[in-house]
Amino acid sequence: QKEVEQNSGPLSVPEGAIASLNCTYSDRGSQSFFWYRQYSGKSPELIMSIYSNGDKEDGRFTAQLNKASQYVSLLIRDSQPSDSATYLCAGRPLFSGGYNKLIFGAGTRLAVHP
Amino acid sequence: SQTIHQWPATLVQPVGSPLSLECTVEGTSNPNLYWYRQAAGRGLQLLFYSVGIGQISSEVPQNLSASRPQDRQFILSSKKLLLSDSGFYLCAWIPVQGSYNEQFFGPGTRLTVL
Repeated sequence: QKEVEQNSGPLSVPEGAIASLNCTYSDRGSQSFFWYRQYSGKSPELIMSIYSNGDKEDGRFTAQLNKASQYVSLLIRDSQPSDSATYLCAGRPLFSGGYNKLIFGAGTRLAVHP
Repeated sequence: SQTIHQWPATLVQPVGSPLSLECTVEGTSNPNLYWYRQAAGRGLQLLFYSVGIGQISSEVPQNLSASRPQDRQFILSSKKLLLSDSGFYLCAWIPVQGSYNEQFFGPGTRLTVL
């Protein structure tokens, strides 16, 4: 069973702090990883993609991938109340082939308080 | 422009009634298409995926079926709804084939079975 695991939270951080969201995966052959943000009652929105070991930065967001440890993280700098949402981590297993299927974690709820 | 639509946005149906949810995409040809379900407070479960007209793959046995009658149309159906079919149904697609093959979600259909 290929799995992606996340702490359900809630993760509570003060406004302006760094929020750190973590994800582990079981399939060592997984190639690419994605972070989605989902506001309550809305569909998920893709915010970061990463497939190489190391860090990838986009604005206030940094995705980190460590394939040896099978670990993916998302850092949100200068957190704002508008960042309060559920963050879904997804991985593309090696077996997905041309179908490009993803396996999602259950999500971590982030609450940024003023 | 590349867009994805889902219809209807919300639906309340009695147990035992039929179901038809529609997903249409614009702006690209022969995209991979996906149906997911998200139960209340839960992660995303992949239900069906399609890589071309008339081609459907099912992830889990269930009370639902899918069809792709046109290149840019993906339909989710049921002959008789169960209470457990309630949830948030999301269509996703890959509009650009490339290094990441990123999936993007439609706005979703919230289904309540009573």
